[in-house]
Amino acid sequence: EVQLVESGGGLVQPGRSLRLSCTASGFTFGDYAMSWFRQAPGKGLEWVGFIRSKAYGGTTEYAASVKGRFTISRDDSKSIAYLQMNSLKTEDTAVYYCTRESTGVVIPGHGFDIWGQGTMVTVSS
Amino acid sequence: SYELTQPPSVSVSPGQTARITCSGDALPKQYAYWYQQKPGQAPVLVIYKDSERPSGIPERFSGSSSGTTVTLTISGVQAEDEADYYCQSADSSGTYLVFGGGTKLTVL
Repeated sequence: EVQLVESGGGLVQPGRSLRLSCTASGFTFGDYAMSWFRQAPGKGLEWVGFIRSKAYGGTTEYAASVKGRFTISRDDSKSIAYLQMNSLKTEDTAVYYCTRESTGVVIPGHGFDIWGQGTMVTVSS
Repeated sequence: SYELTQPPSVSVSPGQTARITCSGDALPKQYAYWYQQKPGQAPVLVIYKDSERPSGIPERFSGSSSGTTVTLTISGVQAEDEADYYCQSADSSGTYLVFGGGTKLTVL
């Protein structure tokens, strides 16, 4: 079964760091780009960033709201994508989803066809 | 910053056709994607590259594009289609992704 499982969410104080993991199974992880999205309570979807597949350099792009604070990486040998979140702010409070994209390049792509169940991150003192 | 604009809500009766629009200046250059999200669930991709339908998505879901507007059409709406729908695309440089604000589809 194709599956993505996020972990690492929780309650964290403003200014602190947190690392989320996205563990993949059921497909050849290295062939896919991986992206993170988030959704604040009662709000819409927001793109956080993505990492292209190694075939496209494994490069990353980030939304302006997180650039310089968040870092996405991948370990293809373990089929895991990571989201390192530093200098967290209260406005980072959201459910964080990881997703995959089959072309590996994302733009233009085939869309994000498999999503994890999400992990909640609460930034509060 | 680049934005996609969707109507906040659309209401239709069962069996009718629902049309949800999404407008953005870069849409003539960048593909649009549509996601369905039901309460408490992760989003589901229903249309990619403006008008392509992923496997497993019912044929009543279709997408089209005209200039700076893309449209998600749901023909013969069913009660189970009640959900939030989000359009997604990229900026004109093809670097950043962006979502519309979402449209709540209500089946009367």
